Amino acid sequence: DVKVTQSSRYLVKRTGEKVFLECVQDMDHENMFWYRQDPGLGLRLIYFSYDVKMKEKGDIPEGYSVSREKKERFSLILESASTNQTSMYLCASRQSDRGSSSYNSPLHFGNGTRLTVT
Amino acid sequence: AQSVTQLGSHVSVSEGALVLLRCNYSSSVPPYLFWYVQYPNQGLQLLLKYTSAATLVKGINGFEAEFKKSETSFHLTKPSAHMSDAAEYFCAVSKWGAQKLVFGQGTRLTINP
Repeated sequence: DVKVTQSSRYLVKRTGEKVFLECVQDMDHENMFWYRQDPGLGLRLIYFSYDVKMKEKGDIPEGYSVSREKKERFSLILESASTNQTSMYLCASRQSDRGSSSYNSPLHFGNGTRLTVT
Repeated sequence: AQSVTQLGSHVSVSEGALVLLRCNYSSSVPPYLFWYVQYPNQGLQLLLKYTSAATLVKGINGFEAEFKKSETSFHLTKPSAHMSDAAEYFCAVSKWGAQKLVFGQGTRLTINP
Protein backbone atom coordinates (compact mmCIF):
# COMPACT_ATOMS: atom_id res chain seq x y z
CA ASP A 1 0.00 0.00 0.00
CA VAL A 2 1.18 3.49 -0.84
CA LYS A 3 1.82 5.62 2.19
CA VAL A 4 1.88 9.40 2.06
CA THR A 5 2.90 10.91 5.37
CA GLN A 6 2.44 14.52 6.36
CA SER A 7 4.65 15.43 9.26
CA SER A 8 2.13 17.41 11.30
CA ARG A 9 -1.58 16.85 11.84
CA TYR A 10 -2.16 20.26 13.42
CA LEU A 11 -0.08 23.43 13.32
CA VAL A 12 -0.66 26.84 14.87
CA LYS A 13 1.52 29.68 13.61
CA ARG A 14 1.59 33.44 13.95
CA THR A 15 1.14 35.94 11.15
CA GLY A 16 4.44 36.63 9.41
CA GLU A 17 6.11 33.36 10.39
CA LYS A 18 7.79 31.18 7.80
CA VAL A 19 6.02 27.80 7.78
CA PHE A 20 7.20 24.48 6.40
CA LEU A 21 4.78 21.64 5.65
CA GLU A 22 6.50 18.35 4.93
CA CYS A 23 5.28 15.38 2.92
CA VAL A 24 6.97 12.05 2.31
CA GLN A 25 5.82 9.16 0.09
CA ASP A 26 7.24 5.66 0.11
CA MET A 27 6.29 4.34 -3.35
CA ASP A 28 8.85 6.01 -5.59
CA HIS A 29 6.20 8.13 -7.30
CA GLU A 30 7.44 10.75 -9.72
CA ASN A 31 4.55 13.15 -9.24
CA MET A 32 3.65 14.98 -6.04
CA PHE A 33 1.03 17.62 -5.33
CA TRP A 34 -0.03 20.12 -2.69
CA TYR A 35 -3.70 21.05 -2.37
CA ARG A 36 -5.56 23.18 0.10
CA GLN A 37 -9.07 22.22 1.16
CA ASP A 38 -11.62 24.81 2.26
CA PRO A 39 -15.34 24.30 2.98
CA GLY A 40 -17.46 24.96 -0.08
CA LEU A 41 -14.42 25.27 -2.35
CA GLY A 42 -13.29 21.67 -2.56
CA LEU A 43 -9.61 21.07 -3.23
CA ARG A 44 -7.50 23.64 -5.03
CA LEU A 45 -4.07 22.86 -6.44
CA ILE A 46 -1.23 25.01 -5.10
CA TYR A 47 1.84 23.44 -6.72
CA PHE A 48 2.89 20.14 -8.18
CA SER A 49 6.18 18.47 -9.05
CA TYR A 50 6.80 15.83 -11.71
CA ASP A 51 10.45 15.19 -10.87
CA VAL A 52 13.19 16.13 -8.43
CA LYS A 53 13.85 19.87 -8.54
CA MET A 54 10.98 20.33 -11.02
CA LYS A 55 7.85 22.23 -10.06
CA GLU A 56 4.85 23.84 -11.67
CA LYS A 57 2.34 26.32 -10.35
CA GLY A 58 -1.17 25.16 -9.75
CA ASP A 59 -4.25 27.34 -9.56
CA ILE A 60 -3.45 29.26 -6.36
CA PRO A 61 0.35 29.51 -5.96
CA GLU A 62 0.44 33.05 -4.55
CA GLY A 63 2.02 33.19 -1.11
CA TYR A 64 3.48 29.70 -1.39
CA SER A 65 6.64 28.06 -2.66
CA VAL A 66 7.76 24.43 -2.79
CA SER A 67 10.92 22.39 -2.62
CA ARG A 68 11.67 18.92 -3.97
CA GLU A 69 15.28 18.00 -3.33
CA LYS A 70 14.62 14.26 -3.06
CA LYS A 71 12.12 12.14 -4.93
CA GLU A 72 10.24 11.02 -1.84
CA ARG A 73 9.88 14.44 -0.19
CA PHE A 74 7.86 17.47 -1.25
CA SER A 75 7.76 20.52 1.01
CA LEU A 76 5.30 23.39 0.96
CA ILE A 77 6.61 26.71 2.25
CA LEU A 78 4.60 29.71 3.40
CA GLU A 79 7.15 32.52 3.22
CA SER A 80 5.18 34.85 5.49
CA ALA A 81 2.05 33.24 6.85
CA SER A 82 -1.19 35.21 6.75
CA THR A 83 -4.58 34.53 8.31
CA ASN A 84 -6.11 33.77 4.90
CA GLN A 85 -3.79 30.78 4.66
CA THR A 86 -5.59 29.08 7.56
CA SER A 87 -6.76 25.88 5.93
CA MET A 88 -6.41 22.13 5.59
CA TYR A 89 -3.40 21.21 3.42
CA LEU A 90 -3.33 17.90 1.61
CA CYS A 91 -0.32 16.30 -0.03
CA ALA A 92 -0.72 13.65 -2.72
CA SER A 93 1.47 11.54 -4.96
CA ARG A 94 0.87 9.66 -8.18
CA GLN A 95 2.78 7.23 -10.31
CA SER A 96 3.62 8.33 -13.83
CA ASP A 97 1.73 6.48 -16.56
CA ARG A 98 4.79 5.09 -18.29
CA GLY A 99 4.68 5.18 -22.08
CA SER A 100 1.53 7.25 -22.00
CA SER A 101 0.44 10.79 -21.39
CA SER A 102 -2.90 9.74 -20.05
CA TYR A 103 -2.37 10.79 -16.42
CA ASN A 104 -5.23 8.67 -15.16
CA SER A 105 -3.49 6.80 -12.36
CA PRO A 106 -5.05 7.70 -9.01
CA LEU A 107 -3.77 10.22 -6.52
CA HIS A 108 -2.73 8.89 -3.10
CA PHE A 109 -3.34 11.38 -0.32
CA GLY A 110 -1.87 12.00 3.10
CA ASN A 111 -4.17 12.64 6.07
CA GLY A 112 -3.71 16.38 5.89
CA THR A 113 -2.25 19.17 8.01
CA ARG A 114 -4.69 21.60 9.57
CA LEU A 115 -2.90 24.93 9.74
CA THR A 116 -4.19 27.83 11.81
CA VAL A 117 -2.54 31.23 11.39
CA THR A 118 -3.34 33.70 14.18
CA ALA B 1 -10.85 24.68 -19.27
CA GLN B 2 -12.29 21.84 -17.31
CA SER B 3 -14.60 22.31 -14.37
CA VAL B 4 -16.77 20.20 -12.13
CA THR B 5 -20.02 21.04 -10.37
CA GLN B 6 -21.42 18.93 -7.59
CA LEU B 7 -25.10 19.60 -6.98
CA GLY B 8 -25.83 19.73 -3.28
CA SER B 9 -23.19 20.41 -0.65
CA HIS B 10 -25.05 18.17 1.79
CA VAL B 11 -27.12 15.04 1.13
CA SER B 12 -28.92 13.10 3.82
CA VAL B 13 -30.43 9.62 3.32
CA SER B 14 -31.77 6.88 5.54
CA GLU B 15 -29.84 3.68 6.11
CA GLY B 16 -30.82 1.22 3.36
CA ALA B 17 -31.98 3.94 0.97
CA LEU B 18 -30.56 4.78 -2.44
CA VAL B 19 -27.59 7.13 -2.49
CA LEU B 20 -27.35 9.54 -5.44
CA LEU B 21 -24.60 12.16 -5.55
CA ARG B 22 -24.63 14.40 -8.60
CA CYS B 23 -21.67 15.58 -10.64
CA ASN B 24 -21.64 17.54 -13.88
CA TYR B 25 -18.50 18.41 -15.75
CA SER B 26 -17.43 20.68 -18.53
CA SER B 27 -14.53 19.75 -20.71
CA SER B 28 -13.55 20.66 -24.23
CA VAL B 29 -12.09 17.20 -24.80
CA PRO B 30 -13.07 13.72 -23.61
CA PRO B 31 -12.38 13.70 -19.91
CA TYR B 32 -11.15 11.34 -17.28
CA LEU B 33 -13.54 11.42 -14.34
CA PHE B 34 -13.01 10.33 -10.76
CA TRP B 35 -14.88 10.02 -7.50
CA TYR B 36 -12.91 10.28 -4.27
CA VAL B 37 -14.17 9.79 -0.70
CA GLN B 38 -12.87 11.45 2.46
CA TYR B 39 -13.71 9.88 5.80
CA PRO B 40 -13.40 12.07 8.93
CA ASN B 41 -9.84 13.06 9.78
CA GLN B 42 -8.42 11.28 6.76
CA GLY B 43 -7.12 12.14 3.32
CA LEU B 44 -9.00 11.31 0.14
CA GLN B 45 -9.10 7.84 -1.37
CA LEU B 46 -10.20 6.77 -4.83
CA LEU B 47 -13.68 5.27 -5.16
CA LEU B 48 -13.74 4.79 -8.93
CA LYS B 49 -12.63 6.31 -12.21
CA TYR B 50 -13.85 6.59 -15.81
CA THR B 51 -11.22 6.45 -18.53
CA SER B 52 -13.27 6.00 -21.73
CA ALA B 53 -13.79 2.25 -21.47
CA ALA B 54 -17.18 1.13 -20.11
CA THR B 55 -19.60 3.96 -19.36
CA LEU B 56 -20.82 2.24 -16.18
CA VAL B 57 -17.98 2.09 -13.70
CA LYS B 58 -18.00 0.00 -10.55
CA GLY B 59 -15.98 1.07 -7.55
CA ILE B 60 -15.25 0.03 -4.01
CA ASN B 61 -17.83 -0.40 -1.23
CA GLY B 62 -20.72 -1.02 -3.67
CA PHE B 63 -20.59 2.37 -5.38
CA GLU B 64 -20.91 2.86 -9.11
CA ALA B 65 -21.11 5.78 -11.51
CA GLU B 66 -22.36 6.19 -15.05
CA PHE B 67 -20.72 8.45 -17.62
CA LYS B 68 -23.38 10.19 -19.74
CA LYS B 69 -21.79 12.29 -22.43
CA SER B 70 -25.09 13.78 -23.62
CA GLU B 71 -25.80 15.08 -20.13
CA THR B 72 -22.13 15.81 -19.24
CA SER B 73 -22.77 13.94 -16.01
CA PHE B 74 -21.02 11.37 -13.86
CA HIS B 75 -23.39 10.75 -10.95
CA LEU B 76 -22.41 8.41 -8.11
CA THR B 77 -24.92 5.86 -6.82
CA LYS B 78 -25.22 3.09 -4.29
CA PRO B 79 -28.42 1.00 -4.02
CA SER B 80 -28.46 0.72 -0.24
CA ALA B 81 -26.75 3.16 2.11
CA HIS B 82 -24.79 1.95 5.11
CA MET B 83 -23.85 3.96 8.17
CA SER B 84 -20.18 3.59 7.23
CA ASP B 85 -20.83 5.53 3.99
CA ALA B 86 -21.04 8.80 5.93
CA ALA B 87 -18.21 10.90 4.50
CA GLU B 88 -17.46 13.71 2.08
CA TYR B 89 -17.40 12.83 -1.61
CA PHE B 90 -15.52 14.67 -4.33
CA CYS B 91 -15.93 14.46 -8.07
CA ALA B 92 -12.86 15.34 -10.15
CA VAL B 93 -11.98 15.73 -13.83
CA SER B 94 -8.81 15.74 -15.84
CA LYS B 95 -8.11 15.57 -19.53
CA TRP B 96 -5.76 13.45 -21.58
CA GLY B 97 -2.26 14.83 -21.41
CA ALA B 98 -2.90 17.00 -18.36
CA GLN B 99 -1.40 16.45 -14.93
CA LYS B 100 -3.94 18.62 -13.17
CA LEU B 101 -6.99 17.16 -11.53
CA VAL B 102 -9.83 19.65 -10.96
CA PHE B 103 -12.06 18.88 -7.99
CA GLY B 104 -15.66 19.77 -7.30
CA GLN B 105 -16.78 21.49 -4.12
CA GLY B 106 -17.60 18.25 -2.35
CA THR B 107 -20.84 16.71 -1.05
CA ARG B 108 -21.17 15.69 2.57
CA LEU B 109 -23.24 12.51 2.89
CA THR B 110 -25.08 11.87 6.14
CA ILE B 111 -26.78 8.54 6.86
CA ASN B 112 -29.76 8.53 9.21
CA PRO B 113 -30.42 5.37 11.25
